[in-house]
Amino acid sequence: SQTIHQWPATLVQPVGSPLSLECTVEGTSNPNLYWYRQAAGRGLQLLFYSVGIGQISSEVPQNLSASRPQDRQFILSSKKLLLSDSGFYLCAWDTTPLGTEAFFGQGTRLTVV
Amino acid sequence: GEDVEQSLFLSVREGDSSVINCTYTDSSSTYLYWYKQEPGAGLQLLTYIFSNMDMKQDQRLTVLLNKKDKHLSLRIADTQTGDSAIYFCAESPFNDYKLSFGAGTTVTVRA
Repeated sequence: SQTIHQWPATLVQPVGSPLSLECTVEGTSNPNLYWYRQAAGRGLQLLFYSVGIGQISSEVPQNLSASRPQDRQFILSSKKLLLSDSGFYLCAWDTTPLGTEAFFGQGTRLTVV
Repeated sequence: GEDVEQSLFLSVREGDSSVINCTYTDSSSTYLYWYKQEPGAGLQLLTYIFSNMDMKQDQRLTVLLNKKDKHLSLRIADTQTGDSAIYFCAESPFNDYKLSFGAGTTVTVRA
């Protein structure tokens, strides 16, 4: 069965520190992978998506970057966190070529202090 | 998400109304959301409702909230082929970013 792992679940980081959130998928191959963020009281915002290894599309300009070093691994990073990076980060995947089902990780609650 | 449940599939004829239902368990939920995911695309926020409201209407969309039964519904009037997508119900508790999603309802609009 397909599963998605995202960690850590909760993270408190000081301003200016680096960030690395990891997401891995099992039970499928060549998935589309997504990073979303939700700020308090707001809807989800798509940050990055990837349709294959090394292929990253950014939806909004920001302090974050993403990488896909392996088919089923998606990493969200920052060199220097800002207070505005606080939020709930959600990894998701769906199947290619048309996403008829979407699966989400449990999310990471990031608080930048 | 195990705390939010939705029916998995809905088939509706073009021009009819669609009603997508959702139940949740967290009594402290403050925001309740409906998201739409079209094939090959990311999630799109359709609408949301605060837990102190019973109803919210936005053009063809009507959200109804029954807090006593912890039941949320999304009604799409005059359903069009472009409404074919997966619809996710989500909730977030008071004073927390965390979102809990339902598994999504795949809506298929037939001519």
